[in-house]
Amino acid sequence: AQSVSQHNHHVILSEAASLELGCNYSYGGTVNLFWYVQYPGQHLQLLLKYFSGDPLVKGIKGFEAEFIKSKFSFNLRKPSVQWSDTAEYFCAVTLNYGGSQGNLIFGKGTKLSVKP
Amino acid sequence: SAVISQKPSRDICQRGTSLTIQCQVDSQVTMMFWYRQQPGQSLTLIATANQGSEATYESGFVIDKFPISRPNLTFSTLTVSNMSPEDSSIYLCSVRLENEKLFFGSGTQLSVL
Repeated sequence: AQSVSQHNHHVILSEAASLELGCNYSYGGTVNLFWYVQYPGQHLQLLLKYFSGDPLVKGIKGFEAEFIKSKFSFNLRKPSVQWSDTAEYFCAVTLNYGGSQGNLIFGKGTKLSVKP
Repeated sequence: SAVISQKPSRDICQRGTSLTIQCQVDSQVTMMFWYRQQPGQSLTLIATANQGSEATYESGFVIDKFPISRPNLTFSTLTVSNMSPEDSSIYLCSVRLENEKLFFGSGTQLSVL
């Protein structure tokens, strides 16, 4: 069955440290890729998405992600984190079948704690 | 943790009909959310459904079109009423536990002809 794996359950960083959160999916076809964030007490917010084109995608708040098709990966990065980035981050994949939108699958999430 | 069973997983419906999507959780949760993802889009929150109170709808979504029931702490339904092709989407339920952890259903793929 198709799945999305986020390798890190909980990441703890100090402010100004660099961040990379791993995301891998298992599906050999066409995908749309998303990173969502949930700040404490809020609902999901889109950070960035990849549908096609440049595999390096820039999102809000200084986040970026790179789609590497050969590795089935879509890792999230930020050069310098801030305390306000403390949140839970979800990778999600929409599988496309013949141009039609298919299953939407979420990873289990990575909790990021940034120490001031 | 929480395990969510969402049904149906997919359906093809005729214009003008209604479809009710069910979301069953294996533990009691206070907050349940209903989202949709239209083709080529990201998730959009439809409403938040708390047990014992009326659902809270986001801008652009109304109760007459998307009535929600939340009869107890483990179950909720979302109805897509008087469907049109523009309602073709993935509909997703999600729950948030007391520790803020989010869990997602498997989604319902709806195609309206």
